[in-house]
Amino acid sequence: ETGVTQTPRHLVMGMTNKKSLKCEQHLGHNAMYWYKQSAKKPLELMFVYNFKEQTENNSVPSRFSPECPNSSHLFLHLHTLQPEDSALYLCASSQDSQAYGYTFGSGTRLTVV
Amino acid sequence: GENVEQHPSTLSVQEGDSAVIKCTYSDSASNYFPWYKQELGKGPQLIIDIRSNVGEKKDQRIAVTLNKTAKHFSLHITETQPEDSAVYFCAASPGGFKTIFGAGTRLFVKA
Repeated sequence: ETGVTQTPRHLVMGMTNKKSLKCEQHLGHNAMYWYKQSAKKPLELMFVYNFKEQTENNSVPSRFSPECPNSSHLFLHLHTLQPEDSALYLCASSQDSQAYGYTFGSGTRLTVV
Repeated sequence: GENVEQHPSTLSVQEGDSAVIKCTYSDSASNYFPWYKQELGKGPQLIIDIRSNVGEKKDQRIAVTLNKTAKHFSLHITETQPEDSAVYFCAASPGGFKTIFGAGTRLFVKA
């Protein structure tokens, strides 16, 4: 375990479902991130939260909705997804959003059917 | 937009040989260059990093070199072992969340 825990590890959902991904860190970090990892493509930054405030939305479709209730927890709410949204979703944290180097979770493997 | 190109996409070496992965970045403001290792079923893990005021950094069997003029940086793994088999990602950052990742190199170390 790296200190960043993601649940669930695997998720299969239909295009009309609503589900949520959860990320938790107890490293004392103040910045948390959602990344999308697709096969043979670079990691794509989705959202950045710094001290619970969203500081970056990297042109992500509104069917992805993040929530950060405190510096230790981060959620990604999913609704009416498309098959092309199938990917590994990684959560990461760092000391703050200007810090160098991330700690990643193991990811949630999402399949949209 | 800014990007990081990483080569090769796949690399196969014999156990005990060396492996070299190369990256080129475009953002001249980049001053931090981390390398991550991702094993099957896990997230990327930071294994070594280098800042722009340093040309080379070594940690046991792994080393990174940086040529800021040419905007190139490389990861060198010596005396490879089967447990080095993984996907390796380079990245370049001018600071904070503005980190651009390469597409990854899948390294196979054959016993």
